Amino acid sequence: QQQVKQSPQSLIVQKGGISIINCAYENTAFDYFPWYQQFPGKGPALLIAIRPDVSEKKEGRFTISFNKSAKQFSLHIMDSQPGDSATYFCAASKGSNYQLIWGAGTKLIIKP
Amino acid sequence: GAGVSQSPSNKVTEKGKDVELRCDPISGHTALYWYRQSLGQGLEFLIYFQGNSAPDKSGLPSDRFSAERTGGSVSTLTIQRTQQEDSAVYLCASSRGQGVGYTFGSGTRLTVV
Repeated sequence: QQQVKQSPQSLIVQKGGISIINCAYENTAFDYFPWYQQFPGKGPALLIAIRPDVSEKKEGRFTISFNKSAKQFSLHIMDSQPGDSATYFCAASKGSNYQLIWGAGTKLIIKP
Repeated sequence: GAGVSQSPSNKVTEKGKDVELRCDPISGHTALYWYRQSLGQGLEFLIYFQGNSAPDKSGLPSDRFSAERTGGSVSTLTIQRTQQEDSAVYLCASSRGQGVGYTFGSGTRLTVV
C-alpha cells in the first residue's frame, strides 16, 4: 500500500514531442504528489508538485495531471527539448509529517 | 548555506576500509535523509533524522552502516569494512517538514576497489 509505481522505465521522444510519465499509488491517504528531475551527477530537484484538490497543475511546459478516482498522476512535458533529457521521479506522501515514497524513476531521452 | 552540501564529492577506497561521508543540510531544515543510488537505479532510502527524535534506521542495509547527526545539523554516514557492493552515489537531502520540499545535495560517489 505504500508503493508508488512509475512507468515507463525509459522513454525516447523526438524533439518537439510530448513526453508522458505515469505513476500509480494505492494509499488514499497520500495528499502530496511531487515530481523530481535529476541530471547526471546531480541530486534530484523538485520540478512541480500537486495536491489532490486540483486535477491539473501547469508550470511552463510541465503539467501534472491528477486522477483521484483512478489513483494515478502523470507528468506531461510539452514541446520536449534535448535539455529535458534526465531521470524523472514521482513521489507521494501523506503530508508534511510523513516521508516521501518514491517511484523507481524514468530515464527520458529527447532526440534532436 | 544556500543548498545541501556533501563531501567528498568522490571517494575511492579499498575493500575493507572504513569511510565517512558528510552532509551539511540547509539551515533551519529539521529533517535530513540519506539515500543510496546505484548506477542508473532509483533512490534507496537509508536513514532519516527529524529534529531530536530517534532516527528511522529501517533502510540501513547492514550493521556496517551507521549515521549520526550532531546538534541537529551536520550528519555523517559511516560505512565500515566497505565491500564492492557498497559502490554507489550516496545522496543527502533535507527538508523543513517530512513530506515536502526535499532539497538534495549533489551526492558522494563512492567506489570500492
